[in-house]
Amino acid sequence: QVQLQESGPGLVKPSETLSLTCTVSGGSISHYYWNWIRQSPGKGLEWIGYIYFSGSTTYNPSLKSRLSLSVDTSKNQVSLNLNSVTAADTAVYFCARGTYCSSVSCYQFPFEYWGQGVLVTVSS
Amino acid sequence: EIVMTQSPATLSVSPGERAILSCRASQSVRSFLAWYQQRPGQAPRLLIYGASTRATGVPARFSGSGSGTEFTLIINSLQSEDFAVYYCQQYVNWPRTFGQGTKVEMK
Repeated sequence: QVQLQESGPGLVKPSETLSLTCTVSGGSISHYYWNWIRQSPGKGLEWIGYIYFSGSTTYNPSLKSRLSLSVDTSKNQVSLNLNSVTAADTAVYFCARGTYCSSVSCYQFPFEYWGQGVLVTVSS
Repeated sequence: EIVMTQSPATLSVSPGERAILSCRASQSVRSFLAWYQQRPGQAPRLLIYGASTRATGVPARFSGSGSGTEFTLIINSLQSEDFAVYYCQQYVNWPRTFGQGTKVEMK
């Protein structure tokens, strides 16, 4: 059974960088899109971006200028860095597994496996 | 980006009754539509993908239908564990987008 676990600081100061890691267990990180999704308190869900195990990425245009995703296949981990944060970035951050790619094609798929989420508060 | 609109925002239903949730896309998403259930303090759980296919382990009382821009999630014979927030999501285009959610509450 695939399991995802987010980790990182729960408190970040305004203008600093929010850094999170998602560790994947029970399955390989290969051949899947690994996504970050956030949920502001009492609000809905916002897709942040994805990274493929090869390192290719796609970001939400609303966050693209501040966002960087990376992957470490040796550790089965993906990471998120969001710089110049403000109070509007306060949210629960989830990682989730999505689309699968074989050697021939990619199969669009929604978010089947999710981490439990980590609350990040931006405050001085 | 594709805007997903869910209705109603809140649905009050008695246990054992049926709940009908709607989701509309601002442009066609074909059948690349998923439904999620989120209970308080938990991550969303995938219920339906491909507009109508139940995910592994999802009870048969959950059913999805629709294609293009109009979609429906029906929950038959509501159980206590079904009172939660439900989100639709399109996965045909980037950025992936979610509806704002429908809260199913006990009447």
